[in-house]
Amino acid sequence: NAGVTQTPKFRILKIGQSMTLQCTQDMNHNYMYWYRQDPGMGLKLIYYSVGAGITDKGEVPNGYNVSRSTTEDFPLRLELAAPSQTSVYFCASTATGSGYTFGSGTRLTVV
Amino acid sequence: KQEVTQIPAALSVPEGENLVLNCSFTDSAIYNLQWFRQDPGKGLTSLLLIQSSQREQTSGRLNASLDKSSGRSTLYIAASQPGDSATYLCAVSQEDNTDKLIFGTGTRLQVFP
Repeated sequence: NAGVTQTPKFRILKIGQSMTLQCTQDMNHNYMYWYRQDPGMGLKLIYYSVGAGITDKGEVPNGYNVSRSTTEDFPLRLELAAPSQTSVYFCASTATGSGYTFGSGTRLTVV
Repeated sequence: KQEVTQIPAALSVPEGENLVLNCSFTDSAIYNLQWFRQDPGKGLTSLLLIQSSQREQTSGRLNASLDKSSGRSTLYIAASQPGDSATYLCAVSQEDNTDKLIFGTGTRLQVFP
């Protein structure tokens, strides 16, 4: 199994540009999440989904949007990129009572 | 609001030592607690998951304990090896049926030969 696949691995954006970070899992997990990790900090939750068609905000949702049209896919959309969105983004999935599976991350720089 | 704290922030030890990493949380109404390993520039790898009804979990040289009432967990690493060098993150989920995790800032471990 591939687990959780994130693309791209690296990206440089200019201020005001938009992009979509892709996340796909092949474990039939209902729960999916997007976290961001800033240097020296723990991970902070951006958005999450408990099933297809259901999404909700996490701790730091401003400037981001998500959709969950299928169980497998949970893309994260950045609109009007700002330097404060420079971070490493992790997608993760889990099933109830199980440990998390994380993707390898997307390193985003906004200049 | 749940807060997770990890002590120490960094640790450097010689190979072979037994280690204890600490994690504390402010709200004892947790659903589970997880320990992760993160290598530089990489994603997170799940090490151990402890349900709120459990006291400890073991995997190889790793043992994690949970004292829910006092808001504490420890990760014990026996006979440390240079390959154990990484950042170790503790995270808790709440009893809200979402499995959202609240993370500590991690303990950066270096094991030298």
